[in-house]
Amino acid sequence: QSVLTQPASVSGSPGQSITIPCTGTTNDVGAYNLVSWYQQLPGEAPKLLIYEVTERPSGVSHRFSGSKSGTTASLTISGLQAEDEADYFCCSYAAGSTFLLFGGGTTLTVL
Amino acid sequence: EAQLVQSGAEVKKPGESLTISCAGSQHIFGNYWITWVRQLPGQGLEWMGRIDPSDSSTTYSPSFQGHVTLSADKSITTAYLQWTTLAASDTAKYFCAHENARGAFDIWGQGTMVTVSS
Repeated sequence: QSVLTQPASVSGSPGQSITIPCTGTTNDVGAYNLVSWYQQLPGEAPKLLIYEVTERPSGVSHRFSGSKSGTTASLTISGLQAEDEADYFCCSYAAGSTFLLFGGGTTLTVL
Repeated sequence: EAQLVQSGAEVKKPGESLTISCAGSQHIFGNYWITWVRQLPGQGLEWMGRIDPSDSSTTYSPSFQGHVTLSADKSITTAYLQWTTLAASDTAKYFCAHENARGAFDIWGQGTMVTVSS
């Protein structure tokens, strides 16, 4: 099973916006609008931020938003805050199966 | 508040067997699936497989098929992840999570650290 491709790290200053891409193929990210995003703070369990590409669970800040174009999904964090420093993972179904795939993860540093 | 509570950290020797657990409410176990995720030290997340607690049907990632066993007891709303023969490469943190119908993991356990060392 392929791993979805994410940059290993991104950084930004407080108040700025950053975007984390998640690149897959027509057999996963490009196949369905079923991409989700997770935030993992150090030492904690992951937390669902975005599901179905763009949907935000209740309680998740509006500063987090998702999108997709072709085989690349993206997570955008606006108005960066120090508390946003964490690892971020994307996840998608693999087409033709009910298997799920994670991206390799991106570490966000707030400068 | 809906939650999943996992069993505590384990230290085992290579070749030993192990079962870890994940307990939740009827609301969680009555809807869709419980999935398991592995996180190797300092690494990313890997989807291992899922179980439907209502009928114990399972789906395994090809990467984990044959090496682990998923089970569940719906009467006590608990899911299990089992190894019959541990290896040092199984050293990792294991999370259970509730997987909804749209492939999103909306509730997570706190994780169980498994250390396999001679």
